[in-house]
Amino acid sequence: KNQVEQSPQSLIILEGKNCTLQCNYTVSPFSNLRWYKQDTGRGPVSLTIMTFSENTKSNGRYTATLDADTKQSSLHITASQLSDSASYICVVSDRGSTLGRLYFGRGTQLTVWP
Amino acid sequence: EADIYQTPRYLVIGTGKKITLECSQTMGHDKMYWYQQDPGMELHLIHYSYGVNSTEKGDLSSESTVSRIRTEHFPLTLESARPSHTSQYLCASSENGSNEKLFFGSGTQLSVL
Repeated sequence: KNQVEQSPQSLIILEGKNCTLQCNYTVSPFSNLRWYKQDTGRGPVSLTIMTFSENTKSNGRYTATLDADTKQSSLHITASQLSDSASYICVVSDRGSTLGRLYFGRGTQLTVWP
Repeated sequence: EADIYQTPRYLVIGTGKKITLECSQTMGHDKMYWYQQDPGMELHLIHYSYGVNSTEKGDLSSESTVSRIRTEHFPLTLESARPSHTSQYLCASSENGSNEKLFFGSGTQLSVL
């Protein structure tokens, strides 16, 4: 069964600190992995998209890594800000399918305290 | 920023009412999607479209229907709303291609009393 599991479920950190969010997946065949940020009451916004051949991609203070062999990804946030408080969702697409075949994780709820 | 808009943002209605959730995008994307999301849960695809006059049901069974008469417009309709339909509904669009980015609207929070 294709699944995407994220950990931790929730996380509280102090402003300025770094943190790392985890994503494990069993989706096969693999096409790409995406990280989205979803603010409360808003739609998700894309942070990164990585294909099989990419093992790291950065977007400002966000750096995503991918190990396609172990089927794991992480999202590292550097020097956190209050505006980073949001749910971070890992999404995996299977190869050879339409875009409709996306597998969503339940997200990690990050809270940044001043 | 994404140019995809959903209305209304919030809707509270009584059981049995017919409702239409609006979604429009100005990016000229062929592909559009409707997702349903409950608090703390993953998004579930309920409908998608690859172009005008093309609509398909998604992974999650839904009593809603959609139409795609124009590229930019992808409304979702519930003929008779029930409390079980209470949820957040997210519309999205994307360009063609295998790694295309999804652009989401801000969502409609529906509450059926």
